[in-house]
Amino acid sequence: GQQLNQSPQSMFIQEGEDVSMNCTSSSIFNTWLWYKQDPGEGPVLLIALYKAGELTSNGRLTAQFGITRKDSFLNISASIPSDVGIYFCAGGGGNTDKLIFGTGTRLQVFP
Amino acid sequence: DVKVTQSSRYLVKRTGEKVFLECVQDMDHENMFWYRQDPGLGLRLIYFSYDVKMKEKGDIPEGYSVSREKKERFSLILESASTNQTSMYLCASSLLGGLAKNIQYFGAGTRLSVL
Repeated sequence: GQQLNQSPQSMFIQEGEDVSMNCTSSSIFNTWLWYKQDPGEGPVLLIALYKAGELTSNGRLTAQFGITRKDSFLNISASIPSDVGIYFCAGGGGNTDKLIFGTGTRLQVFP
Repeated sequence: DVKVTQSSRYLVKRTGEKVFLECVQDMDHENMFWYRQDPGLGLRLIYFSYDVKMKEKGDIPEGYSVSREKKERFSLILESASTNQTSMYLCASSLLGGLAKNIQYFGAGTRLSVL
């Protein structure tokens, strides 16, 4: 099945640093979602985006729906140890209720 | 809050056993999904259902079947478990239609080991 290209695959950063990750697709989506998965748990929704160009924040997290509708990015500012986990993007929309997921970005934060 | 509950966090089964993974959601969602997650392969859709007794194959349905007898419950069945089905299994649910239809809510996962 199709997967979205998500980069970087992994990041090792120091506490307090900002983080940026992105997702690209060859297909157009009507919805972009960002999830976080803690070790041993299921993914939890962080941000949902519904309109091209939309910029949405959730605390220290900011995500944008690309103008072309083929990409999205997620920024985390001033990272803290509990930001550790795997971040997934997902695209959806059109005549299907299925989501296409990115390959994930594994984030490690060192104190 | 939406709650998706998977009946087991950890399961250990033997090759050839029939395995049932159960998932229940409490938000009256029409859609329910089963994924497996393996390192380096991301989330892969096994089956989904958009209504009671309805099911659609996902990307990797081979070796699996599903059952949806009630709206809130979606079961994944491994007819004869094999070692290559050792994985993390995730259940999710979402609304059918509307702006929020693509937001899927996940359970905590079931880590299945087949020996």
